Amino acid sequence: AQTVTQSQPEMSVQEAETVTLSCTYDTSESDYYLFWYKQPPSRQMILVIRQEAYKQQNATENRFSVNFQKAAKSFSLKISDSQLGDAAMYFCAYRSMEYGNKLVFGAGTILRVKS
Amino acid sequence: DTGVSQDPRHKITKRGQNVTFRCDPISEHNRLYWYRQTLGQGPEFLTYFQNEAQLEKSRLLSDRFSAERPKGSFSTLEIQRTEQGDSAMYLCASSPPGLAGEQYFGPGTRLTVT
Repeated sequence: AQTVTQSQPEMSVQEAETVTLSCTYDTSESDYYLFWYKQPPSRQMILVIRQEAYKQQNATENRFSVNFQKAAKSFSLKISDSQLGDAAMYFCAYRSMEYGNKLVFGAGTILRVKS
Repeated sequence: DTGVSQDPRHKITKRGQNVTFRCDPISEHNRLYWYRQTLGQGPEFLTYFQNEAQLEKSRLLSDRFSAERPKGSFSTLEIQRTEQGDSAMYLCASSPPGLAGEQYFGPGTRLTVT
């Protein structure tokens, strides 16, 4: 079974600075998807960025980018020019390409943004 | 596109009572998922529908839990004889056809069992 580990329960960043959230995963599959989801307080979860494992190029979405290291099974999220609205719980998630469609989530990292 | 909706948003019930939650997916999304999220944790998969067929169920889904998706549109999740351990946020998500379809989440139903 696949597992996702987020080793940072909480992170803080100064507004306009850069922060990196860590995620590692365990799988025996070669093809899969990885995601970062954002869950603001009392609001619904939204997708931040996704990465297909067969793509070597790291995904980027505006201020959000990932560092995908397939061999190391590492998938970190970098947030540049942090804004107050980035404050939320961030979840790393794995989805198999072969076996079902469920997402396997990590425990999450609370990101606090200081003004 | 109005997004995934869930009803009710909050439910307080006494131990032993039955509760039912509803999820309306994004129209034309044929896949629907239920997850459970306890405080401070990531969501855990409960079950998955493709159209009206329930294709996967987690071991977390005990006999007291049942989910349906009649006609492949909205879905209901029923918990019978609720226990305090059932207190959690129940999230619904939907995705379009195809392997690459991302999951869009609803706002969730927060269940408190007293």
